Amino acid sequence: GAVVSQHPSRVICKSGTSVKIECRSLDFQATTMFWYRQFPKQSLMLMATSNEGSKATYEQGVEKDKFLINHASLTLSTLTVTSAHPEDSSFYICSARDWRDSYNEQFFGPGTRLTVL
Amino acid sequence: GENVEQHPSTLSVQEGDSAVIKCTYSDSASNYFPWYKQELGKRPQLIIDIRSNVGEKKDQRIAVTLNKTAKHFSLHITETQPEDSAVYFCAASISNTGNQFYFGTGTSLTVIP
Repeated sequence: GAVVSQHPSRVICKSGTSVKIECRSLDFQATTMFWYRQFPKQSLMLMATSNEGSKATYEQGVEKDKFLINHASLTLSTLTVTSAHPEDSSFYICSARDWRDSYNEQFFGPGTRLTVL
Repeated sequence: GENVEQHPSTLSVQEGDSAVIKCTYSDSASNYFPWYKQELGKRPQLIIDIRSNVGEKKDQRIAVTLNKTAKHFSLHITETQPEDSAVYFCAASISNTGNQFYFGTGTSLTVIP
């Protein structure tokens, strides 16, 4: 089946630093990847849609200058949290769609736990 | 944008009983409705999905029903087992317009042995 990986799985950083999270589709090509944020005991909130070779589309209320997304290849999308602050601490999950798949299914990565001190 | 509501937020059932989780959506253009199971700290796992051209789909102990007119869909789990305990999320999506998923608020299901 389709496999999506994320790296790192956990990261702890100091306030004011930037953190990069990678999302890779391992056995399929993904023209579209999605980034979600999940706070404890809450739902997955869509942050942005990442399209290979073009600018990401951000959901309302998500700061594009703070959450930089780069989808440079058909198997890799990155999310950079710039100048991270404690309120950015969360579980970040990516998902990807197989470009050959005419259905809507998204395959999720294992998530990255970000803690900002 | 799409708004998905999910009820109940918590649900406890005895092992062997049935569990029902309900979701409503706001955008009549939504046409794909997946259900995910998520265990603590792990990725969501697709358990069943339904497209708007059918009203019901079943896979062993799990079934989903869809009422397009009323814009609601439900997950039914029969003969529940302790390993069914997890958080369940519904989602709604519109095909061919970005395919973004908008998730419900989640239901924490506990199956009591």
